[in-house]
Amino acid sequence: EAQVTQNPRYLITVTGKKLTVTCSQNMNHEYMSWYRQDPGLGLRQIYYSMNVEVTDKGDVPEGYKVSRKEKRNFPLILESPSPNQTSLYFCASSLLQGSYNSPLHFGNGTRLTVT
Amino acid sequence: AQSVAQPEDQVNVAEGNPLTVKCTYSVSGNPYLFWYVQYPNRGLQFLLKYITGDNLVKGSYGFEAEFNKSQTSFHLKKPSALVSDSALYFCAVRDGDSGTYKYIFGTGTRLKVLA
Repeated sequence: EAQVTQNPRYLITVTGKKLTVTCSQNMNHEYMSWYRQDPGLGLRQIYYSMNVEVTDKGDVPEGYKVSRKEKRNFPLILESPSPNQTSLYFCASSLLQGSYNSPLHFGNGTRLTVT
Repeated sequence: AQSVAQPEDQVNVAEGNPLTVKCTYSVSGNPYLFWYVQYPNRGLQFLLKYITGDNLVKGSYGFEAEFNKSQTSFHLKKPSALVSDSALYFCAVRDGDSGTYKYIFGTGTRLKVLA
């Protein structure tokens, strides 16, 4: 089954303790991206990647890191989490077709709470 | 700069009535426009997109959207609402001429279809 898999689904941590949220897709998609969803703010893009070793900032990259060493994986790293990073996080992927890209496929989300 | 506005936090409609969820956008280049739906505890699912061509776009589950360039709008419509359409709907835009793959999402509109 074609899917984007995020882990964990729920995570509670303390301020300053490094964490990684994993994202993996099995559709051979070139494009992958991370979003955070907050009430009243909708989804905001954190980082995106157009292929292996190619990443770029979205609108809210501060406090986050990403890496794209393999095509299928795009982990989101919080080196020193803070309470304002408490949010619902989504990973998404799509094909790239020239200047177009196919619609985004989303994972089921990771709810992160930083205390 | 790109932006998307969904002016209504919530739309209530009776089952069987037509529904409209509004979206307006701003991009400097060619707009690539998308609608996604989110059910509880799930990631977003693609409904439909406008890249180029006919202004009326048909998508999944009987939804359609009309691209209006002069009004910079991309409203989502359905002729006859179902209770199962109740969900959170997001409009998104990407600037097709920018050379980047940054997506901007609206803040979301909660649709409630009343039996």
